[in-house]
Amino acid sequence: EDQVTQSPEALRLQEGESSSLNCSYTVSGLRGLFWYRQDPGKGPEFLFTLYSAGEEKEKERLKATLTKKESFLHITAPKPEDSATYLCAVQARGGSQGNLIFGKGTKLSVKP
Amino acid sequence: EPEVTQTPSHQVTQMGQEVILRCVPISNHLYFYWYRQILGQKVEFLVSFYNNEISEKSEIFDDQFSVERPDGSNFTLKIRSTKLEDSAMYFCASSERSGGYTFGSGTRLTVV
Repeated sequence: EDQVTQSPEALRLQEGESSSLNCSYTVSGLRGLFWYRQDPGKGPEFLFTLYSAGEEKEKERLKATLTKKESFLHITAPKPEDSATYLCAVQARGGSQGNLIFGKGTKLSVKP
Repeated sequence: EPEVTQTPSHQVTQMGQEVILRCVPISNHLYFYWYRQILGQKVEFLVSFYNNEISEKSEIFDDQFSVERPDGSNFTLKIRSTKLEDSAMYFCASSERSGGYTFGSGTRLTVV
């Protein structure tokens, strides 16, 4: 069964304290792995798509990496405005368009 | 930046009533989706829609649910005879092709 597990469930950082969020996945052939940011009461906001092991993408203080079993979202020198829940989702190869399988997310709090 | 618009933002309905949730996807997108998120749980796939028909649906999307693209711009989710367990955030999303889904801000459905 296709599955996504994110850790930790919650992470508290001081402003400027870099860290990483983990997304482990099992899927019957990966079409793509997605990272989203979700603020309370809002919809997921697209951050990155990764397609193959070894791929990396960066956006401001965020960097996403992908291996055959997991993905990391590295946050460098975070600011309070980076506080949100970060969601990881996978799309399996062979399925029709759609059907992202989400993890439960990591709730990040960055204190000034 | 183009966005997916959902209305209403909050809907309260009595158990057994029918509700229609509305979405305006991004205009040049071809694929449309509904997801839901029960409070404190994962985002779950409901249905994908392409070329005026359902392309994939989950086990959640039973005969109680239906989708429609009535006029070339709107995309609706109808829930017949709502149950208490249908209470959730419902997210519409759209994409041009695989990857980079854009989600709306969601409709919070409360069934009382």
